[in-house]
Amino acid sequence: QKEVEQNSGPLSVPEGAIASLNCTYSDRGSQSFFWYRQYSGKSPELIMSIYSNGDKEDGRFTAQLNKASQYVSLLIRDSQPSDSATYLCAVNPLGSGNTGKLIFGQGTTLQVKP
Amino acid sequence: DAGVTQSPTHLIKTRGQQVTLRCSPKSGHDTVSWYQQALGQGPQFIFQYYEEEERQRGNFPDRFSGHQFPNYSSELNVNALLLGDSALYLCASSRLADTQYFGPGTRLTVL
Repeated sequence: QKEVEQNSGPLSVPEGAIASLNCTYSDRGSQSFFWYRQYSGKSPELIMSIYSNGDKEDGRFTAQLNKASQYVSLLIRDSQPSDSATYLCAVNPLGSGNTGKLIFGQGTTLQVKP
Repeated sequence: DAGVTQSPTHLIKTRGQQVTLRCSPKSGHDTVSWYQQALGQGPQFIFQYYEEEERQRGNFPDRFSGHQFPNYSSELNVNALLLGDSALYLCASSRLADTQYFGPGTRLTVL
């Protein structure tokens, strides 16, 4: 079992729709969770961080965390063609001590069609 | 305020050669982490440097080594290059275990 799992996609949604991206993780003691966006040929860019169960909203983005189910998701409202990218879920596992080491999923490719 | 910078942008080497990649962290950051990202995969943690020492290491062979300087900048060295070392090498900076911000990366091609 991979430590952080994402559906590689592609996930295709029409412009203006809600895109839902999902991620599961295996280390129950994980404390910090991040979503990064990566455009083709570029480096990852931080979108959201979440540390507590529940929802966290920032503009069109909402991160959701359920530690009991070991599940974290990212919702993108009013999706735009410029949101087309690969979305990486990253987890700071318990065994990383105080280093903030990140374990990444393989990423989900999102395509927003005009 | 400059973000994380990396050099060079691209690099082509042949098998068996050695390579050095460089990273300057974001202003105010004291910790540098290095990741390897193969095509179509998520980044994989190589190691992290804080106070000029390696704090944690991922599952990478000893051919991968690093260094951090007093000004917090860092180098990643890879010896005896293999074809499988071809990847995007990412540097991320942070304040200790806080949120990591990535540089633009160095694309390494091994022929």
